[in-house]
Amino acid sequence: DSGVTQTPKHLITATGQRVTLRCSPRSGDLSVYWYQQSLDQGLQFLIQYYNGEERAKGNILERFSAQQFPDLHSELNLSSLELGDSALYFCASSVSGRIEGLYNEQFFGPGTRLTVL
Amino acid sequence: GEDVEQSLFLSVREGDSSVINCTYTDSSSTYLYWYKQEPGAGLQLLTYIFSNMDMKQDQRLTVLLNKKDKHLSLRIADTQTGDSAIYFCAETTGANNLFFGTGTRLTVIP
Repeated sequence: DSGVTQTPKHLITATGQRVTLRCSPRSGDLSVYWYQQSLDQGLQFLIQYYNGEERAKGNILERFSAQQFPDLHSELNLSSLELGDSALYFCASSVSGRIEGLYNEQFFGPGTRLTVL
Repeated sequence: GEDVEQSLFLSVREGDSSVINCTYTDSSSTYLYWYKQEPGAGLQLLTYIFSNMDMKQDQRLTVLLNKKDKHLSLRIADTQTGDSAIYFCAETTGANNLFFGTGTRLTVIP
């Protein structure tokens, strides 16, 4: 158990719908990362938040957005869903956001499996 | 640092050594990692190596890094059936987010 929790575990929805995935980081971790794992794209970084502020952006679609709340939990919002958005969405957390040259391990949650029908 | 390549499949017999290879393109990578993903599970960090190191050993795991060729390998000694999983190499640069390889599915044959 990494200490990172994600809900829900599974989500089945229809095209065009909107869903929210939730992540609670490990106690004491300020940084949250979202990753998408799909058959087409593999494992790719979407977005990072550090202490409530966006820190880095990866291959995140404009239909997707995220935020980190004052209690440090994060939500990933996916809208206008398409079949291709079906994937496993991972959240990870780390103590810090960016420390040049220092090791900053990311701990991964179990993921939310999204199926778009 | 976004082109990290691995071979897709590897099969070994139980008790043999497994070697999983990875090539990356970003010479500014600071840390390189190996993650394990078992069926239906999340990602588990196995080991990591700092970019100024050549080798790191951790029990049955040995990581070799060739910076000149941008080649990373993970050797698992005495491979067991419980080692069957997908193995991802990953790198971080200054931004700390991880860039993952394509993953290698390791199958251990009893």
